[in-house]
Formats: sequence, structure tokens, C-alpha cells
Amino acid sequence: DGGITQSPKYLFRKEGQNVTLSCEQNLNHDAMYWYRQDPGQGLRLIYYSQIVNDFQKGDIAEGYSVSREKKESFPLTVTSAQKNPTAFYLCASSIAAATEQYFGPGTRLTVT
Amino acid sequence: AQSVTQLGSHVSVSEGALVLLRCNYSSSVPPYLFWYVQYPNQGLQLLLKYTTGATLVKGINGFEAEFKKSETSFHLTKPSAHMSDAAEYFCAVSDHSNTGKLIFGQGTTLQVKP
Repeated sequence: DGGITQSPKYLFRKEGQNVTLSCEQNLNHDAMYWYRQDPGQGLRLIYYSQIVNDFQKGDIAEGYSVSREKKESFPLTVTSAQKNPTAFYLCASSIAAATEQYFGPGTRLTVT
Repeated sequence: AQSVTQLGSHVSVSEGALVLLRCNYSSSVPPYLFWYVQYPNQGLQLLLKYTTGATLVKGINGFEAEFKKSETSFHLTKPSAHMSDAAEYFCAVSDHSNTGKLIFGQGTTLQVKP
């Protein structure tokens, strides 16, 4: 089955620790995206990548980092510099820019 | 710049009643528009999309939406609500720049009462 996988589903970390969220797709899509979702705020774009070895900051990139070494993988690192990291994180991909995006099941990160 | 406004953060309907979720957009270029549904603790699922052509778009689960350029609207409807339709719904417009990013509305939670 083609799709997007995110792991783990739930993640707990202590404040001050970096944590990496996994996102893998086997749809052969060029573009990948990371969004953050908070209650009542919709989805906000963190980073996006349209091609391997290239990525750009989204609207709320501070405190996050990404890499795109392989077409199918786009991991997101939440660093200790992110002031309020507790949130639901969604990864998405699309075959090209401006086309519909397909979403993974999400990772709920809780930092205490 | 593109933007999306969803009117009503919560909508409640009875089972079997008409579902109407409102979405207005702002775009300086012909928009690509999308509706997504999200069930609790899950990712977003594409319901339908409008790019070009026919302005009445049919999607999955009996939903449809009509693109009205004069009203800058893309409202989502379903003739008869089912209990399984209870979820959060997001309208989105595509950024026509090379970023390809989607701009999402704040979401509307649909409650279906028996």
C-alpha cells in the first residue's frame, strides 16, 4: 500500500532534549511538508522540501530543523530552542507544488 | 497573499439533516481549493478539490462543494448527515507561488446529533 508513515504515534520528552520525528512516504512524491497543529489554530507550516537535498523554512521554522537526504524521507527535529514544542505534528507530501497534499497519521509530542 | 476564512468553528446538525460548512477565500490569482476532514488524533484526508473546470465538485462520502468566484466562496455540503461525519473539517487554498504550500482555515468541528 502506498502512503505516508509517521512514527511514533505518541512521543514524550523532557524539556531541553532534542527529539526527531520520522516521516516516510512511498508515493514517489517530490514535495514534502511538515505542519504543526494546535487546538483552534489550524495547521501551520514548519518546513517544506520540493526536491532532495533542498528545503525551505515555512511560517514557524524557529526551533526546528529538517533534512532531505532521500526522496522518501523527511525527518523533523524539534530542538531545545523551540519554546512550546508540545503539539500534534503532521507530515504531508504532494506529487508537485500546488497540487493536493496527502497526510500521514501524525505524531503527538508532549514535552514536560 | 492568499487566505482562508471558515465561518463557524462549531456546527451542529441532526442526523439526516443538511450539512453546510462555509469557506471564503482571498486570492489574487485563480485559486486551487481543497476540503479536508480530520478525525480525532488522525491525519487529514482529502475530501475534494477544485482546480479548474466544473465549479461543482463531488468528493468522497457524499460531500460536494461549489466554487463561486463572485462570492469568493467554496462551501462544503452534504444532503444528509450521518453520525460518522462528525469530525473537523478544513478548507485550504493553494499558494500559487513555487512553494506549493497550502493555507488552511481554522477548521470547523461538525457535531451530528442522533
